[in-house]
Amino acid sequence: SAVISQKPSRDICQRGTSLTIQCQVDSQVTMMFWYRQQPGQSLTLIATANQGSEATYESGFVIDKFPISRPNLTFSTLTVSNMSPEDSSIYLCSVGTSRYEQFFGPGTRLTVL
Amino acid sequence: AQSVAQPEDQVNVAEGNPLTVKCTYSVSGNPYLFWYVQYPNRGLQFLLKYITGDNLVKGSYGFEAEFNKSQTSFHLKKPSALVSDSALYFCAVRRDTGFQKLVFGTGTRLLVSP
Repeated sequence: SAVISQKPSRDICQRGTSLTIQCQVDSQVTMMFWYRQQPGQSLTLIATANQGSEATYESGFVIDKFPISRPNLTFSTLTVSNMSPEDSSIYLCSVGTSRYEQFFGPGTRLTVL
Repeated sequence: AQSVAQPEDQVNVAEGNPLTVKCTYSVSGNPYLFWYVQYPNRGLQFLLKYITGDNLVKGSYGFEAEFNKSQTSFHLKKPSALVSDSALYFCAVRRDTGFQKLVFGTGTRLLVSP
């Protein structure tokens, strides 16, 4: 398994501002992902964070709204831009440590007022 | 496209009784199946997976799951429930090829009463 940390663990933000979430892994991993879990909902994949290239976004998610960086094999950031109350969610970082397993960070609970 | 159905929003069981949390899936090709658990204000914790081989998979905390290809199901089970098992359980599926995109079910809340 991998030990995954996220910062911040939670935040309350004002409408129209941006928040950058950090994800740190204790070992080098090939695959890193960002998920969103809206209140009372399941998890939805936002994008795959690719090291050294642009992230691959899922349908319904765009780079201008959710820019992602992946400068190396142990770190990634997700920015939620120009936030609105609809962006209030838990954002989870995930890593694939092998072809078969995927582990999740503790999540960042975001509330937008 | 892959999909997962968890037909029960909530499952109630008394401590010491067996529990089952249901999951059915749809995927083209062979499935990789997973169960995760989420405790309040926590991230997802990996419980177990089915990749290939024995249809009965054993995982963490005494949980097991049975893969049934003909019924396209992957139900989570535990012989004797604990109050501490109360949490939100997610079933997930991905194809056996390509990158590791997981598709999650809507989750089932398990409530174990003393």
